[in-house]
Amino acid sequence: DAGVTQSPTHLIKTRGQQVTLRCSPKSGHDTVSWYQQALGQGPQFIFQYYEEEERQRGNFPDRFSGHQFPNYSSELNVNALLLGDSALYLCASSFLGLGYNEQFFGPGTRLTVL
Amino acid sequence: GQQLNQSPQSMFIQEGEDVSMNCTSSSIFNTWLWYKQDPGEGPVLLIALYKAGELTSNGRLTAQFGITRKDSFLNISASIPSDVGIYFCAGLSPANAGNNRKLIWGLGTSLAVNP
Repeated sequence: DAGVTQSPTHLIKTRGQQVTLRCSPKSGHDTVSWYQQALGQGPQFIFQYYEEEERQRGNFPDRFSGHQFPNYSSELNVNALLLGDSALYLCASSFLGLGYNEQFFGPGTRLTVL
Repeated sequence: GQQLNQSPQSMFIQEGEDVSMNCTSSSIFNTWLWYKQDPGEGPVLLIALYKAGELTSNGRLTAQFGITRKDSFLNISASIPSDVGIYFCAGLSPANAGNNRKLIWGLGTSLAVNP
C-alpha cells in the first residue's frame, strides 16, 4: 500500500516563473491538504481539497492555486514565483469520513526560487 | 500565519535520558497531534489526543492533552539515537460552520541525542 507520494522531489525555478507540484494521496484517502514549510519553521496551511473543490484556505495569495482530480490526486500551482516562495511543499492526505485529524504526509517537494 | 508556542526550541541530550517538550496556545483546541520530521521527509504522526486530560502512550512516547485544552506535552523516555529529529505539535481548532477546522502548528523542537 503506497503512502502519499509527491513529485518532483526537487525543483529549481527563477523569479516570475510558474510551477506545478503533484501529489497522490494514500490509498483510500479522499482529501488532500497542501502546506508550505520554510526552513526552520513549522508547516503553514495553504489549502485543502475534497470532492475536487477547495474547501479551506490559509493566508496565501491567489498566486497559489490548486486542483483535485477524480482519482483524488492533486496539483499545487504557484504563479509569478518570488524568492520567498522557496520552501518545502508538503502534501497530506486523509479520509474525511475518519475526521480531519489523521493526516499522512508525503516526503515533500523542495522548491528553490533563484 | 498563526502558530503555537512550542518549547524548548532545541535539546541536546545523552542517550538514555528522558525528554520533555510542550506546546501552549491562547486558543482552545479539540485535538492535539504530535509529529516527528526527519531531514528531507514529511512529518510522521506519533500520537493523537482527542480529549482534555487524555494521556496516551506509543512505546517510549507519552503525550497528554492539557485539561484547559490550551496545552499539551510530549515525553520521550530512555532516548536512543534514532529519536533525533524535529518534533512538532499541532492543534486542531473547534469546528465552525461548514466544518472549517485548521491544523495550527508549533515551530518545532529539534532533538539531538549523543550516543
